[in-house]
Amino acid sequence: EPEVTQTPSHQVTQMGQEVILRCVPISNHLYFYWYRQILGQKVEFLVSFYNNEISEKSEIFDDQFSVERPDGSNFTLKIRSTKLEDSAMYFCASRQRGTWGYTFGSGTRLTVV
Amino acid sequence: GQQLNQSPQSMFIQEGEDVSMNCTSSSIFNTWLWYKQDPGEGPVLLIALYKAGELTSNGRLTAQFGITRKDSFLNISASIPSDVGIYFCAGVKTSYDKVIFGPGTSLSVIP
Repeated sequence: EPEVTQTPSHQVTQMGQEVILRCVPISNHLYFYWYRQILGQKVEFLVSFYNNEISEKSEIFDDQFSVERPDGSNFTLKIRSTKLEDSAMYFCASRQRGTWGYTFGSGTRLTVV
Repeated sequence: GQQLNQSPQSMFIQEGEDVSMNCTSSSIFNTWLWYKQDPGEGPVLLIALYKAGELTSNGRLTAQFGITRKDSFLNISASIPSDVGIYFCAGVKTSYDKVIFGPGTSLSVIP
C-alpha cells in the first residue's frame, strides 16, 4: 500500500527558530496538502499545493509559513520563526486527480519551547 | 466559515453494540468523507461519498450522504475493541476546494 512519509516524527525547537517539516507524497499524486492538529482538537487546513504553486491557504498560513516542492518527490513546510502556539501535529496529505480520498502521513509532532 | 458539527462528541459502548454518529453543516457539501484517527497517527480514510443519497459500506461500516447535502452519518455494526479512536467527518464543497474536517467523535469500546 503506497504511503505518505513524513520526517521527523517528532521535532523540538526553541521559540524563534526555523523548522522544516518534510514529506514524501505518494508518487503518482498531484495534489498536496498540509494540515495541523493542536492536541485534542480537530484537523485544520493550512495549505494546498498543485502544479508547483499554492492553490489555497488558510488564515493560519501567514507569512511565517512557506511550502516548497524542491524536487520531484519532496514537499516541505517551513516555519520561519516558530511561536509557542505553533506546537501541534502537522500532517502532510496527497491525492490523485479525480478523487478526494486524501492519504495522510503519520504526522510530525512539533513542540516549541 | 465552513463549519461541520459532529455528534455525539464522545461515546462509550460495549463490544458488540452498533454505533451511529452524525455530521451536519449549515452549507452544502459535494463530497463527504469519513476518517478514523488512532492515537499518534494520521487520519485514515474509511469511506468516501460523492452523490446525495448515496449509501456506501466498507465491511462493518456504512455511511450515507444526506439528501440535503448538508449531513452524513456513519454506522459501525458489531463494534470490536480496535474500533476505538476518533472518527472525523470531512466535506468538500467544490472540485478545487480543500477538505474541511469536523471536530470528531471519540469512540471507546468496553470489552
